[in-house]
Amino acid sequence: GQQVMQIPQYQHVQEGEDFTTYCNSSTTLSNIQWYKQRPGGHPVFLIQLVKSGEVKKQKRLTFQFGEAKKNSSLHITATQTTDVGTYFCAGLAYSGAGSYQLTFGKGTKLSVIP
Amino acid sequence: NAGVTQTPKFQVLKTGQSMTLQCAQDMNHEYMSWYRQDPGMGLRLIHYSVGAGITDQGEVPNGYNVSRSTTEDFPLRLLSAAPSQTSVYFCASTEMGFQGGLNTEAFFGQGTRLTVV
Repeated sequence: GQQVMQIPQYQHVQEGEDFTTYCNSSTTLSNIQWYKQRPGGHPVFLIQLVKSGEVKKQKRLTFQFGEAKKNSSLHITATQTTDVGTYFCAGLAYSGAGSYQLTFGKGTKLSVIP
Repeated sequence: NAGVTQTPKFQVLKTGQSMTLQCAQDMNHEYMSWYRQDPGMGLRLIHYSVGAGITDQGEVPNGYNVSRSTTEDFPLRLLSAAPSQTSVYFCASTEMGFQGGLNTEAFFGQGTRLTVV
């Protein structure tokens, strides 16, 4: 079955440092999505990338989708304490019979030291 | 517009008991899914449904049953609870419109924290 690997599992940064998490799928994806989950909360959608080589920015967050549509990254510039949480990538892939599955990576837990 | 509503928020079961986790959405989404979240394991797909009357298994379906009689509701049943099913369960719904302009953002419920003793 489809697998989505995400690294690192944990990242501790000083406030103001940059942060990057990487995602790699075992199969070619229809799209890749990124979610953020605050401690004790539920995952919240951040963005969706669909096109090969796509790059999108949201303020200090930069998202990339690889040319082969199998890998992606999320980069945060100058982290702030509000960035604390777990970041998940999720790959959407065709699972047969007109159906799709959204498979999540294990997430990267970001801690920001003030 | 409530989005995705899960009940209950917390539940303690004894081994062997059965229960149903409820999930309802008011966004008229066709695609609904159940995930479990365990420390260090991310979100693992249990079952999903692409529309009323249609369900399919995800990555970890054993021990769980689902049905989808209406577009709005997608309950998850534990027939005989086991300690290994202690987890946080999330229900999600997605518009999943594939006719151009894919919009596959998943909206999650608040989660159900289940403990099986």
